[in-house]
Amino acid sequence: GAGVSQSPSNKVTEKGKDVELRCDPISGHTALYWYRQSLGQGLEFLIYFQGNSAPDKSGLPSDRFSAERTGGSVSTLTIQRTQQEDSAVYLCASSHRGGLYEQYFGPGTRLTVT
Amino acid sequence: TQLLEQSPQFLSIQEGENLTVYCNSSSVFSSLQWYRQEPGEGPVLLVTVVTGGEVKKLKRLTFQFGDARKDSSLHITAAQPGDTGLYLCAGEEGSGGSNYKLTFGKGTLLTVNP
Repeated sequence: GAGVSQSPSNKVTEKGKDVELRCDPISGHTALYWYRQSLGQGLEFLIYFQGNSAPDKSGLPSDRFSAERTGGSVSTLTIQRTQQEDSAVYLCASSHRGGLYEQYFGPGTRLTVT
Repeated sequence: TQLLEQSPQFLSIQEGENLTVYCNSSSVFSSLQWYRQEPGEGPVLLVTVVTGGEVKKLKRLTFQFGDARKDSSLHITAAQPGDTGLYLCAGEEGSGGSNYKLTFGKGTLLTVNP
């Protein structure tokens, strides 16, 4: 079956512009996660969705970051007024439920802010 | 925030050699997972260990969870070029089973030369 897909695969934007990153989880997976992976750093948890609600937004680095999920499926991560330190690979993962269930990762979106 | 330290950060070996990578923390985790990530792709789950002292084998890979559930190791026997990749450990915070947040180490970048 289809895995987690993310778009775009690469995004280059100018400092100060807004960007939207999209994640299509595996069909039927109720839990969805966003992570950020910077060079030399591990995966940094950003936000967790269970269905359409986000019980944990604690990892969002600033109020420039927001995410939503509609229809219990597609999720969009929006970064407003991008800064150079936002440059990273943004990974999305989904799982059947939260808890000790395997998370399936997408290939990521590489964001470069110039 | 619970931290996971992985060592070594980089490892370059010849095909056929054995190796061990380590994942250590001062905190207790309810479970620990190991992932492998290849360039341009998201991490893929290799194994989950839950019980202190648990040992799991996956072909040439042996995973061990420390008795105190604070550390883990991954041992690869007779490494092959196909084992090349970034190996990440991730610990599950909380009481286990009902939580979802993973704390990732920074990873060990393994290169197996033919």
